[in-house]
Amino acid sequence: DAKTTQPTSMDCAEGRAANLPCNHSTISGNEYVYWYRQIHSQGPQYIIHGLKNNETNEMASLIITEDRKSSTLILPHATLRDTAVYYCIVRSLEGGSQGNLIFGKGTKLSVKP
Amino acid sequence: GAGVSQSPRYKVAKRGQDVALRCDPISGHVSLFWYQQALGQGPEFLTYFQNEAQLDKSGLPSDRFFAERPEGSVSTLKIQRTQQEDSAVYLCASSLAVRGRAGEQFFGPGTRLTVL
Repeated sequence: DAKTTQPTSMDCAEGRAANLPCNHSTISGNEYVYWYRQIHSQGPQYIIHGLKNNETNEMASLIITEDRKSSTLILPHATLRDTAVYYCIVRSLEGGSQGNLIFGKGTKLSVKP
Repeated sequence: GAGVSQSPRYKVAKRGQDVALRCDPISGHVSLFWYQQALGQGPEFLTYFQNEAQLDKSGLPSDRFFAERPEGSVSTLKIQRTQQEDSAVYLCASSLAVRGRAGEQFFGPGTRLTVL
């Protein structure tokens, strides 16, 4: 699975959009980009995933560049409860893949009042 | 609805003791994963089950670690002769997806193991 690079930490004002970048320059054609987050003392929580097209759900939007070498997770109106570590993960769908997640250190997002 | 549950939530063990950590996945979920998360780090894969079959145990750090899922639902991670370096949060995740397909993983709250 391809490696990802994320900033160590980011701040965001409450009510503003939080834009979390991720670089995955070695991503291959059948690898998806997944985002999970982990609130303090909880297990990771799935947010969103995508392959090529931009995706949106009730939690967030995922923007993937045309060359797929980077992506941005957007929380449109950040709240204090969005303070968490956000993990960008690239997952292979090769035949032998079992789907275990390879986490990096993620981005610590702090939403401030 | 019920999510993934883990017990105990906290476990303190003396060095050399054996511990058993339990995971109750979401009913009907085929895939089950165990991860280990050291302080300040992201979770790291330990082992994977598809139903009762343990298909990958490449992440288990030593032969002191053993996992089972005998009936394809509840899973137990056992650590024998615990060492201080085993102190971590142990996370369990389950997924409806089978091997070779991507799927959302649902995580439990974890068990925080402290070895004194």
